[in-house]
Amino acid sequence: AQSVTQLDSHVSVSEGTPVLLRCNYSSSYSPSLFWYVQHPNKGLQLLLKYTSAATLVKGINGFEAEFKKSETSFHLTKPSAHMSDAAEYFCVVSLWGFQKLVFGTGTRLLVSP
Amino acid sequence: GAVVSQHPSRVICKSGTSVKIECRSLDFQATTMFWYRQFPKKSLMLMATSNEGSKATYEQGVEKDKFLINHASLTLSTLTVTSAHPEDSSFYICSAREKDENIYNEQFFGPGTRLTVL
Repeated sequence: AQSVTQLDSHVSVSEGTPVLLRCNYSSSYSPSLFWYVQHPNKGLQLLLKYTSAATLVKGINGFEAEFKKSETSFHLTKPSAHMSDAAEYFCVVSLWGFQKLVFGTGTRLLVSP
Repeated sequence: GAVVSQHPSRVICKSGTSVKIECRSLDFQATTMFWYRQFPKKSLMLMATSNEGSKATYEQGVEKDKFLINHASLTLSTLTVTSAHPEDSSFYICSAREKDENIYNEQFFGPGTRLTVL
């Protein structure tokens, strides 16, 4: 079975400083991995996806993530946080692309001025 | 990206009544729709997968007689919570995938429905 562990329930950063949201996965086979963002009253939005191509994946809004098989990690980073980045972030794993998604418990990103 | 809507956004009902939640793909045809439940401070849990014109596939532990899913057209799926009780109070989210056999076609998510059962 597939699973993901998001290591931090909350992360607080100041505007303009780097963001690191940590995610470790468990999968019997080569997984697909995703990061989604959830803003209040809005649908989940796909930030980026890894599907066995390049291990460094660039997404929208300046986010990127690196797939590290040896560490079973897929951490999300951004060089400089913006106030609008404050939201809930979910790391997601799947065996078959977008067929069946397994969500982590989420990390709430707080951005202070 | 593609747009998925849900209606209503919030609903409050009395214990024992049934509630229907609609999920619509507004600008694409959705072969497959998914229903999730999100508990406070918890991740999304997949409840069921529905394919247009066929019966939904429920995840283990989800009561199919309690949560009725209908996917009657390529743009509409409904979730009916029957004989709702306070423990059914939750945030229900749907998603939809475009009509295509490519497994990498993205799931697009609706904004969710907050159900409160008194």
